[in-house]
Amino acid sequence: QQQVKQSPQSLIVQKGGISIINCAYENTAFDYFPWYQQFPGKGPALLIAIRPDVSEKKEGRFTISFNKSAKQFSLHIMDSQPGDSATYFCAASRPWGSARQLTFGSGTQLTVLP
Amino acid sequence: NAGVTQTPKFQVLKTGQSMTLQCAQDMNHNSMYWYRQDPGMGLRLIYYSASEGTTDKGEVPNGYNVSRLNKREFSLRLESAAPSQTSVYFCASKSSVYSNQPQHFGDGTRLSIL
Repeated sequence: QQQVKQSPQSLIVQKGGISIINCAYENTAFDYFPWYQQFPGKGPALLIAIRPDVSEKKEGRFTISFNKSAKQFSLHIMDSQPGDSATYFCAASRPWGSARQLTFGSGTQLTVLP
Repeated sequence: NAGVTQTPKFQVLKTGQSMTLQCAQDMNHNSMYWYRQDPGMGLRLIYYSASEGTTDKGEVPNGYNVSRLNKREFSLRLESAAPSQTSVYFCASKSSVYSNQPQHFGDGTRLSIL
């Protein structure tokens, strides 16, 4: 059972365009939503994160939009660059026993054409 | 400035063979994690260790064992490898299992089982 659904699986964007990746969740216990970026041959690294008490968070060209009522959140990459070509994972975190559980989406492979 | 170091980077095994994947972190983190990454499946948690001396199962623990050797090192063992365990394995660490601090990932071990 996939608790965090991510789409699209792959995305091709022209340089300068806007890349949009969407995620949806069902479990309302999730209370923290990070995005990870992974370059080929490397491990994922935190890109940006948001809590559900805000609807938007922006860091440079990267913006997370969060819709709590729809249980959806998305990553927008403005002015996409070839260097942004990577796999992007959304994730959701929730309390789990005495720890916190991080659940990842299935990933989106982004290619930005020069 | 090593962060999380995984060895080996690549490995090919035959069905039924055993091996141990090594992971070490130099960030003085308390919690450590093992994930597997498969196409279209995102990252799935195999085992984690909240602190030295403790380990707990994640989403997909069957066929694996772990050892938290000390605060720095967390190993993953495949006792009798199966083709279904062909995957990319990532180790990660975080300051505390209770926090939303980001997980820091190694660069992965690419494991093929024939």
